[in-house]
Amino acid sequence: GAVVSQHPSWVICKSGTSVKIECRSLDFQATTMFWYRQFPKQSLMLMATSNEGSKATYEQGVEKDKFLINHASLTLSTLTVTSAHPEDSSFYICSAKPGTGFFEAFFGQGTRLTVV
Amino acid sequence: AQSVTQLGSHVSVSEGALVLLRCNYSSSVPPYLFWYVQYPNQGLQLLLKYTSAATLVKGINGFEAEFKKSETSFHLTKPSAHMSDAAEYFCAVSGGGGTSYGKLTFGQGTILTVHP
Repeated sequence: GAVVSQHPSWVICKSGTSVKIECRSLDFQATTMFWYRQFPKQSLMLMATSNEGSKATYEQGVEKDKFLINHASLTLSTLTVTSAHPEDSSFYICSAKPGTGFFEAFFGQGTRLTVV
Repeated sequence: AQSVTQLGSHVSVSEGALVLLRCNYSSSVPPYLFWYVQYPNQGLQLLLKYTSAATLVKGINGFEAEFKKSETSFHLTKPSAHMSDAAEYFCAVSGGGGTSYGKLTFGQGTILTVHP
């Protein structure tokens, strides 16, 4: 149980285009999902927290107009990188937490984004 | 606010030797602590977690960690290293209740190298 699927696993896009990353909880309902970013040879940094049906909460320094997060259902959250630039190239990984009473979130396998 | 410090960005051991990866945390509330492993170009795999029950936590692949409140530490150990343990290891903390559960602050990571 507690499987989180992230798609795509890797994507290459041209500078100036947008790319969407999906995060799905396959066997549970996720009231909260988290999005992290990991630059090469660095640790993971939380970008934002999304709760189903409400606006995402972004961490300081993360541009909400550039990184659009939608959590429209209890099993799906999406991260759209708008007008991507080479500096957005990174490993993006989501995690999903079941409802209240759970202290652990479960990670997807991550998405490697390369902007050329 | 919470933070994690992993002492030693690189640790090198011989196959069969003891593995010790250090993690110290700071938290204003009782913490939940996690160790994850990441292989190159892959997502995160949970090794073990501390959730305020037993202070000595056993995880997968022979790893264990001990929560020491007085030292604010959660060091990861394995009695005998295997070549397949070579990877990057992340210590993470969450806590605070409610929506903070599952929201992780990661350490900088420790790359473990295992020599034959």
